[in-house]
Amino acid sequence: GAGVSQSPSNKVTEKGKDVELRCDPISGHTALYWYRQSLGQGLEFLIYFQGNSAPDKSGLPSDRFSAERTGGSVSTLTIQRTQQEDSAVYLCASTPTGGPVNEQFFGPGTRLTVL
Amino acid sequence: AQSVSQHNHHVILSEAASLELGCNYSYGGTVNLFWYVQYPGQHLQLLLKYFSGDPLVKGIKGFEAEFIKSKFSFNLRKPSVQWSDTAEYFCAVNARGSARQLTFGSGTQLTVLP
Repeated sequence: GAGVSQSPSNKVTEKGKDVELRCDPISGHTALYWYRQSLGQGLEFLIYFQGNSAPDKSGLPSDRFSAERTGGSVSTLTIQRTQQEDSAVYLCASTPTGGPVNEQFFGPGTRLTVL
Repeated sequence: AQSVSQHNHHVILSEAASLELGCNYSYGGTVNLFWYVQYPGQHLQLLLKYFSGDPLVKGIKGFEAEFIKSKFSFNLRKPSVQWSDTAEYFCAVNARGSARQLTFGSGTQLTVLP
């Protein structure tokens, strides 16, 4: 079956522009996560969606970052007024529910470069 | 909040050498522990995980990891590496009962020389 997909794979933008990054989770997975990976860093949690519950936004670094998940499936991460420090690889992951430990299945990521 | 430390940023080994990558976490409660691997040009994928039971867990491709609670460690091992093990390795933890987001270490780049 298809894995997690993300688009675009690469995005180059100018400082101050808004960008939208898309994630299509694995069909039937109810939990969805966004992470970002800056150069030489580990993955940093951004936001978590679980079913119809309110998202956990505790990892969003500023109010320029927002995300939504429509119909419990596709998610869009929006970064407004991008800054150079936003340059990173943005990764999406999904998991099914149930069980004490769920493997997170990662997408290929979107590499964002802010000039 | 939990944190994860990976001691080695870059490890270079020859084929057939033994591997041990260190991982220590900081969290006072019960945790689930993971190792993920990212091969060149590929997605992050799960190598192995621990949540309870035998502290020595075995994963894919001959990897294993040992959870030592008293040391807050979850080191990754492989007795004999291959060139195809060249990849970046990430240790991750999530707090039991949390929202399940993972806290990752900064990663270790393993280069295996043929």
